[in-house]
Amino acid sequence: GAVVSQHPSRVICKSGTSVKIECRSLDFQATTMFWYRQFPKQSLMLMATSNEGSKATYEQGVEKDKFLINHASLTLSTLTVTSAHPEDSSFYICSAYGLLHRGGNTEAFFGQGTRLTVV
Amino acid sequence: ELKVEQNPLFLSMQEGKNYTIYCNYSTTSDRLYWYRQDPGKSLESLFVLLSNGAVKQEGRLMASLDTKARLSTLHITAAVHDLSATYFCAVEQSQGNLIFGKGTKLSVKP
Repeated sequence: GAVVSQHPSRVICKSGTSVKIECRSLDFQATTMFWYRQFPKQSLMLMATSNEGSKATYEQGVEKDKFLINHASLTLSTLTVTSAHPEDSSFYICSAYGLLHRGGNTEAFFGQGTRLTVV
Repeated sequence: ELKVEQNPLFLSMQEGKNYTIYCNYSTTSDRLYWYRQDPGKSLESLFVLLSNGAVKQEGRLMASLDTKARLSTLHITAAVHDLSATYFCAVEQSQGNLIFGKGTKLSVKP
């Protein structure tokens, strides 16, 4: 089953409104979570790195005031797209980095993704 | 700056044939991932390669890693239609921070 839960899977919002996307690690603690964006027929682009208890680190060209990231606990990070516009429409995917099983490997686990459509 | 190059970007195969997808990367890394993505879906983890010479196989897919050459391959044996998807390699730049290739869109035809 899924070890990272991302919610919602789909959201349609009006231009100018804000949308919050949640990313939860289900069976492990993730000190670091990552947010990616994927445009149609393209690869994943890292937007930001989210660290529990500290400010997120944003990649060049990503507006931190537009894409607010909060990592309030070791199992939850949220991405809020503020004042959304149609050009923000995209597929957003989170990943959580951690150790799932003792004796296993620390690795990145991906959520199911969120399809955001801004109308 | 770590760069990841994947080729080919598009691959049309006939069922039963073999082919290899290549993933080159520009700077040292000890960890490489292969993912599958179906249309409208998120990533499905296929392999995590952790060391030089690592080889992993699952069904008709086999992945290998040569850290000295900075090259990973994903080999497809006797392709079937169900393997049609987009395949991504990703190289770990730092803990959990992955840089992705552009992806290979695989289409397997009868």
